[in-house]
Amino acid sequence: GQNIDQPTEMTATEGAIVQINCTYQTSGFNGLFWYQQHAGEAPTFLSYNVLDGLEEKGRFSSFLSRSKGYSYLLLKELQMKDSASYLCAVRVPNSGNTPLVFGKGTRLSVIA
Amino acid sequence: GAGVSQSPSNKVTEKGKDVELRCDPISGHTALYWYRQSLGQGLEFLIYFQGNSAPDKSGLPSDRFSAERTGGSVSTLTIQRTQQEDSAVYLCASSLDRDGTYEQYFGPGTRLTVT
Repeated sequence: GQNIDQPTEMTATEGAIVQINCTYQTSGFNGLFWYQQHAGEAPTFLSYNVLDGLEEKGRFSSFLSRSKGYSYLLLKELQMKDSASYLCAVRVPNSGNTPLVFGKGTRLSVIA
Repeated sequence: GAGVSQSPSNKVTEKGKDVELRCDPISGHTALYWYRQSLGQGLEFLIYFQGNSAPDKSGLPSDRFSAERTGGSVSTLTIQRTQQEDSAVYLCASSLDRDGTYEQYFGPGTRLTVT
């Protein structure tokens, strides 16, 4: 089966840096996505990695190591509005019924 | 342009009733996905459409669930004889191409409560 692991909850201080890890064991790999989901709202796309390395986009960066089955999302200069769930998702080619496998998400709380 | 829209936004129904949920994808998006999210849980994949066809329906949790898509656009998810465990937020997403690198754009979801 397909397995995506993320911490359930994290807490960080406003202005700080936080790293949210994601490990995956899947039957194939064709890219990894990070989504942000505020409470009661739909997920919104943050980043996409298909090659090893770091992708930077403003305050958010995402890293991928395919050999380790590992990714992280790095959030810098945390703001209160960053309090949300962060979902890691892996695209698994030829996986039959589920082309994108989601982890259960990491609920981040940003405190003053 | 307009994003993915879903209706209704909230639905409360009695156990045993049928419900129909609607999704309008982004214009031009060929792939459409249905997910279910229970409180505090991750996204549970239900079914996807490429055009009007659904290559694999085995993600649907039971035979009470069915979905269709017409004209390569609007999709409806129907739940017959609803049960309390069907209570969840049902999310629809669309993307340009299922097999490409394109991200999925999500709708606001339909919150279904079965009493």
